Amino acid sequence: LAKTTQPISMDSYEGQEVNITCSHNNIATNDYITWYQQFPSQGPRFIIQGYKTKVTNEVASLFIPADRKSSTLSLPRVSLSDTAVYYCLVVGTRDSNYQLIWGAGTKLIIKP
Amino acid sequence: DADVTQTPRNRITKTGKRIMLECSQTKGHDRMYWYRQDPGLGLRLIYYSFDVKDINKGEISDGYSVSRQAQAKFSLSLESAIPNQTALYFCATATGVLYNEQFFGPGTRLTVL
Repeated sequence: LAKTTQPISMDSYEGQEVNITCSHNNIATNDYITWYQQFPSQGPRFIIQGYKTKVTNEVASLFIPADRKSSTLSLPRVSLSDTAVYYCLVVGTRDSNYQLIWGAGTKLIIKP
Repeated sequence: DADVTQTPRNRITKTGKRIMLECSQTKGHDRMYWYRQDPGLGLRLIYYSFDVKDINKGEISDGYSVSRQAQAKFSLSLESAIPNQTALYFCATATGVLYNEQFFGPGTRLTVL
């Protein structure tokens, strides 16, 4: 299954757009890409999911190039409350076995 | 009330003890999962269940067992706890429709001395 690799940490400033990229070189045809947000002492929370091209919802966009070997989570106009850990997750099946491979997480710090 | 609850929220135990962590959900989801989270390692899947009669091992099932008592309840047991099982444990649920949208509980912090 695809191994997911993402930067350990990033920082930015309020009002900026933040892009976090995840690498998943061995992604398979049927795998989906999902991103979660986690605050301290809480469980992760779903942000967005995609298969290819671009997906947008009320909080984020997800860009997936044609080869699907990476994906980029884009957070528009971040605020201090966006400080959190962001996880990339690739989900799929191999030989009928369901597998979820989480990245190690990117700690995003937003500064005033 | 929270949709996914976990009990206990914190537990300290000793090596060799049997421990059970419980998860309940009111979302009506068929799919339930148990994960552990260690600093710097993200989440790793221990077991998952797609319905009451379906139990599957995840990436790191050794030393753990589970029971799906009902659609709403999924328990994780450590038969003989060891110190390297000290971690944060999360239960999650998901529908079969939104394939990957998982809803997590608040977590159980387990310390094995």
